[in-house]
Amino acid sequence: GENVEQHPSTLSVQEGDSAVIKCTYSDSASNYFPWYKQELGKRPQLIIDIRSNVGEKKDQRIAVTLNKTAKHFSLHITETQPEDSAVYFCAASSGGTSYGKLTFGQGTILTVHP
Amino acid sequence: GAVVSQHPSWVICKSGTSVKIECRSLDFQATTMFWYRQFPKQSLMLMATSNEGSKATYEQGVEKDKFLINHASLTLSTLTVTSAHPEDSSFYICSARQGAFEQYFGPGTRLTVT
Repeated sequence: GENVEQHPSTLSVQEGDSAVIKCTYSDSASNYFPWYKQELGKRPQLIIDIRSNVGEKKDQRIAVTLNKTAKHFSLHITETQPEDSAVYFCAASSGGTSYGKLTFGQGTILTVHP
Repeated sequence: GAVVSQHPSWVICKSGTSVKIECRSLDFQATTMFWYRQFPKQSLMLMATSNEGSKATYEQGVEKDKFLINHASLTLSTLTVTSAHPEDSSFYICSARQGAFEQYFGPGTRLTVT
């Protein structure tokens, strides 16, 4: 099955700096890569996603890049703000007969210091 | 749009009893819903895939007779934890798939078994 590795496990930045979180996946059939933000005790919220036919996607301060050859994808947050502090999870979906089930990375605790 | 509710938000039960958790997609129909379990400071682990009108597909290591899943309609899936034990205490989160890829999560149910 799919295996997703996420790094770093913790990331501490100053407000205004950029933050980058990286993930690798194992199943070359995976074709959908979402990123979720989860605050303590809350539900994961989809913040951005990318499909395998696209190399990069941007939404305001958030961007995701995908390298299918290397099987890795990254989340980039620019101009970080304290409210960006949360746990971020990457995921990969192999679609097809697996009904699009997601395999999650281990999570990254992002702390943005004012 | 894409709102998923979950009930109850938290529940305390005695060891040996059963608990039912409901997951509803409020503004869309979901033929596929997913059930996850999340232990403190850990990632989301998929337990099972729930498909409307058919039997759920369980992940390896998840006891199907202990975690009963019913997906009776396009907007409702239920998870029943039978004969609960303290080690079943966890945060249970459902998600509903909208379209081919996107999954939206419920707010989660915190189960404590005493």
